[in-house]
Amino acid sequence: GDSVTQMEGPVTLSEEAFLTINCTYTATGYPSLFWYVQYPGEGLQLLLKATKADDKGSNKGFEATYRKETTSFHLEKGSVQVSDSAVYFCALNAGGTSYGKLTFGQGTILTVHP
Amino acid sequence: EPEVTQTPSHQVTQMGQEVILRCVPISNHLYFYWYRQILGQKVEFLVSFYNNEISEKSEIFDDQFSVERPDGSNFTLKIRSTKLEDSAMYFCASSEYRQGPGRFGNTIYFGEGSWLTVV
Repeated sequence: GDSVTQMEGPVTLSEEAFLTINCTYTATGYPSLFWYVQYPGEGLQLLLKATKADDKGSNKGFEATYRKETTSFHLEKGSVQVSDSAVYFCALNAGGTSYGKLTFGQGTILTVHP
Repeated sequence: EPEVTQTPSHQVTQMGQEVILRCVPISNHLYFYWYRQILGQKVEFLVSFYNNEISEKSEIFDDQFSVERPDGSNFTLKIRSTKLEDSAMYFCASSEYRQGPGRFGNTIYFGEGSWLTVV
């Protein structure tokens, strides 16, 4: 079945460091890919998405490129801030008959220190 | 910005009791969902709901679970007889309905979640 695998966490960085959170997926067909973020005490918020191969999603300085050849959607940010501390979830929508069914990775906790 | 709201934020219930979790989806959305996250595990899809009926459900969503849109604005998840393993964060979500090739890239908007603890 469909699955998403994220890099093991937690990840701890200093402010202004470069961030990469790896995400790989397994799916039949051509899924849409998403990164959601959960800040402390809040719900899941869409950070960015990509719906076809080679698309790049971007938002708030974060980027991720849909790589079909490596089945990956790694999240990157050039310079993290303390306010980026949160849990990050990679997810896919495999389509077909499953209109709104997202399959999530296990989440990666990011802590950024001043 | 419109948001999905959920109540209660936290509920403690005894095993075997019925629980109803409530949600108010974004007003112009037509698709509604429940997901859950057991502590330390992945967020899992439970059910989707469209046009007043279940569109899809996972194997987790057995006869103990039911959903309802009782009044055109609320969307509820009922667990008839709670078990210890039902303890989890339950997320309500909603989305617009789109047709065509881009429909699976549609954004799903989540609420803040309801923590259910079964003792």
